[in-house]
Amino acid sequence: DAKTTQPPSMDCAEGRAANLPCNHSTISGNEYVYWYRQIHSQGPQYIIHGLKNNETNEMASLIITEDRKSSTLILPHATLRDTAVYYCIVGIQGAQKLVFGQGTRLTINP
Amino acid sequence: DARVTQTPRDKVTEMGQEVTMRCQPILGHNTVFWYRQTMMQGLELLAYFRNRAPLDDSGMPKDRFSAEMPDATLATLKIQPSEPRDSAVYFCASGLVPYNEQFFGPGTRLTVL
Repeated sequence: DAKTTQPPSMDCAEGRAANLPCNHSTISGNEYVYWYRQIHSQGPQYIIHGLKNNETNEMASLIITEDRKSSTLILPHATLRDTAVYYCIVGIQGAQKLVFGQGTRLTINP
Repeated sequence: DARVTQTPRDKVTEMGQEVTMRCQPILGHNTVFWYRQTMMQGLELLAYFRNRAPLDDSGMPKDRFSAEMPDATLATLKIQPSEPRDSAVYFCASGLVPYNEQFFGPGTRLTVL
């Protein structure tokens, strides 16, 4: 499985956009980029995934570089409830096993 | 609102005792995962099933752990005998091929004294 590298922690002001980077330089052609988050004491929650193109849903946007070696998760208007650990994972399509790294602990400040 | 349920939510037991954790996946999902989370190791995959058949249990200590799906609505994870190092939060997740999203349950917090 391809590995990912994320900063251990980030801070963002409430109402601002939170941009979470992820490096996945060894990603294979058939591997997707997935983002999950884990709010304290809860199970991880799916956010978004993508292969090549940028993706957007009601929670976030995912920007993948053209060479696919890195990506950025964007929370457009962060709220206090977005404080969580964010995991960037690469893997193949379908309900397949996920290999979680240490993630980025995002703190949204009032 | 479909969700994965897990029981018990909390379990405190003594070393050597058998522990059984249960998971009810979302109805219709054909893939079930068991993960374990500790401060030291983070989130690790223990095992997963597709259409009730085990696909991968390489993350599971074979001598004391066992995972089964007696039917499509129930997955179990057993530890016998339990040890203090098994203390962790155990998460169950379910998904449906070919969709990518996994839905996680609230977890079972296990403490082995």
